[in-house]
Amino acid sequence: GAGVSQTPSNKVTEKGKYVELRCDPISGHTALYWYRQSLGQGPEFLIYFQGTGAADDSGLPNDRFFAVRPEGSVSTLKIQRTERGDSAVYLCASSLLGSDTDTQYFGPGTRLTVL
Amino acid sequence: GENVEQHPSTLSVQEGDSAVIKCTYSDSASNYFPWYKQELGKGPQLIIDIRSNVGEKKDQRIAVTLNKTAKHFSLHITETQPEDSAVYFCALKGDSSYKLIFGSGTRLLVRP
Repeated sequence: GAGVSQTPSNKVTEKGKYVELRCDPISGHTALYWYRQSLGQGPEFLIYFQGTGAADDSGLPNDRFFAVRPEGSVSTLKIQRTERGDSAVYLCASSLLGSDTDTQYFGPGTRLTVL
Repeated sequence: GENVEQHPSTLSVQEGDSAVIKCTYSDSASNYFPWYKQELGKGPQLIIDIRSNVGEKKDQRIAVTLNKTAKHFSLHITETQPEDSAVYFCALKGDSSYKLIFGSGTRLLVRP
């Protein structure tokens, strides 16, 4: 079946602009996660959704970052007033139930470059 | 917060040899330990995972061992092949936690 998909695959923007990154999870998965991966490092947790609600947003670096999942499926990560330090690969993952031993399946990521 | 250290950062082996990557952690409440393989330009792909009630798990050429007392877990790849070349990440989840904490990655190169 189809895996997690993310669009766009690449996004180049200018400092100060607004960007939206989209994630389509595996069909039927109730839990959705966003991570950020800087060059040469492991992914770092940003936010976790169980259904439509953000159950844990403790990883969002500041209030310029926001994410939604209005219908419990597709999610959008929104970044306002982008900064050069926001450049990274943004990864989305989904899991069936969101339990503490649930397997998380990752998408290919969106590479964000802020000039 | 929880932290996981991964070693080595790079590993080069001859085709057919074994490769071992080790991770150590500090929170004894951690109960789920997956390993991911990431190829260039792609997202992490789960290759094997182990839960805290199991000491070892094997899937063909790949095995993971967990020592909860010493707080470390290791990935073992036998009979390595060039297509095993990638970056490998260990990760863990704490008790009642949903987020994965990742190690810093190991770049594995298998020389033909």
